[in-house]
Amino acid sequence: NAGVTQTPKFRVLKTGQSMTLLCAQDMNHEYMYWYRQDPGMGLRLIHYSVGEGTTAKGEVPDGYNVSRLKKQNFLLGLESAAPSQTSVYFCASSYPLSNQPQHFGDGTRLSIL
Amino acid sequence: GDSVTQMEGPVTLSEEAFLTINCTYTATGYPSLFWYVQYPGEGLQLLLKATKADDKGSNKGFEATYRKETTSFHLEKGSVQVSDSAVYFCALSDRSSLRAGSYQLTFGKGTKLSVIP
Repeated sequence: NAGVTQTPKFRVLKTGQSMTLLCAQDMNHEYMYWYRQDPGMGLRLIHYSVGEGTTAKGEVPDGYNVSRLKKQNFLLGLESAAPSQTSVYFCASSYPLSNQPQHFGDGTRLSIL
Repeated sequence: GDSVTQMEGPVTLSEEAFLTINCTYTATGYPSLFWYVQYPGEGLQLLLKATKADDKGSNKGFEATYRKETTSFHLEKGSVQVSDSAVYFCALSDRSSLRAGSYQLTFGKGTKLSVIP
């Protein structure tokens, strides 16, 4: 009964380092999303994907890249981390219907020094 | 564009008190409406949803009614418990604003609820 699994759960980086956050879902969902959550800002969409091999920009895409090589996985990359990217990152997935909810992972807490 | 406005928190209530968290929205089409809950250290979980006007969503004693005339979806619970302490998010998905084939969620900023014994 895994749902949406994010790895790692915590990470500390130095400015300029790179890393990849992994999201895996086992619900056969077409759509996948990456959000960041910051105090007082709610959730903001970074990138999303409507299917294997497709990605698109969300509200705050700068400084991030994504890939969806397999339907069940959605990767979020930071090529050169900056302190402004310190945040909690959430992955979500859903069926391709507006009345269906998104299912969220437990988040990755990322600190950049 | 679409937007969701929910009451600012934090909200502190005593156990067994009545809860209302206000949520209003603007949308160009016919949105589906959701309430999500986030417990400390966890991701968001769907609490309830309503997909058309006058629908009532309910779960775990929480209720919300889709009011098209007032563009509202207020969350209510008759008697809160300490275990209800969490952050609550109102969100909408508008099928008429389909972008690149994706029904994106528009979230409110969240309301933190603390229930004290």
